[in-house]
Amino acid sequence: DAKTTQPPSMDCAEGRAANLPCNHSTISGNEYVYWYRQIHSQGPQYIIHGLKNNETNEMASLIITEDRKSSTLILPHATLRDTAVYYCIVRDYDSGGSNYKLTFGKGTLLTVNP
Amino acid sequence: SAVISQKPSRDICQRGTSLTIQCQVDSQVTMMFWYRQQPGQSLTLIATANQGSEATYESGFVIDKFPISRPNLTFSTLTVSNMSPEDSSIYLCSVEFGGETQYFGPGTRLLVL
Repeated sequence: DAKTTQPPSMDCAEGRAANLPCNHSTISGNEYVYWYRQIHSQGPQYIIHGLKNNETNEMASLIITEDRKSSTLILPHATLRDTAVYYCIVRDYDSGGSNYKLTFGKGTLLTVNP
Repeated sequence: SAVISQKPSRDICQRGTSLTIQCQVDSQVTMMFWYRQQPGQSLTLIATANQGSEATYESGFVIDKFPISRPNLTFSTLTVSNMSPEDSSIYLCSVEFGGETQYFGPGTRLLVL
């Protein structure tokens, strides 16, 4: 089962910042938080990941709380093309116990409105 | 990152037949993964395929139904065997690149009649 909980849907106005929350209260100290998005049944697109510190790249910023039990993905200036399902994932191990795997939850459908 | 392609991009198959999906990446990677996304659902990991070893299957998935090959560091195949309409899904491969991040292919859309 996914270790994260996210709101099922959110709306955002075009040009405004989109703040997508994620709870991961059972995260372990060495587990990373990853964010992906999926636009209309395309393959998921990697956005950003982090462990403890806040991270920023050309797509987004990731804010992780000090206790690491939650995080927020920020799209600073949302566009219509950012409409997608956003997945927050805590990376853990596969059934063999030696390889990392991503367990996808239901994600948040972000709709950016004109 | 890595550029990943999948063949076929989509297919319509008859029940009882099998389909082999190919995944090609433009760089050598150790770890490749196969996922299934049923209609309206999220992604579910089928198996992890490392070159030179047997694939590791997740709970609910078995090798007889989803045999996987990994002949080299840039290629893998997933076969969906003895298909039924319940196998209608998007099948995605991904690769781990740079030791930390998975990148996904465009997916194969399968409809079983």
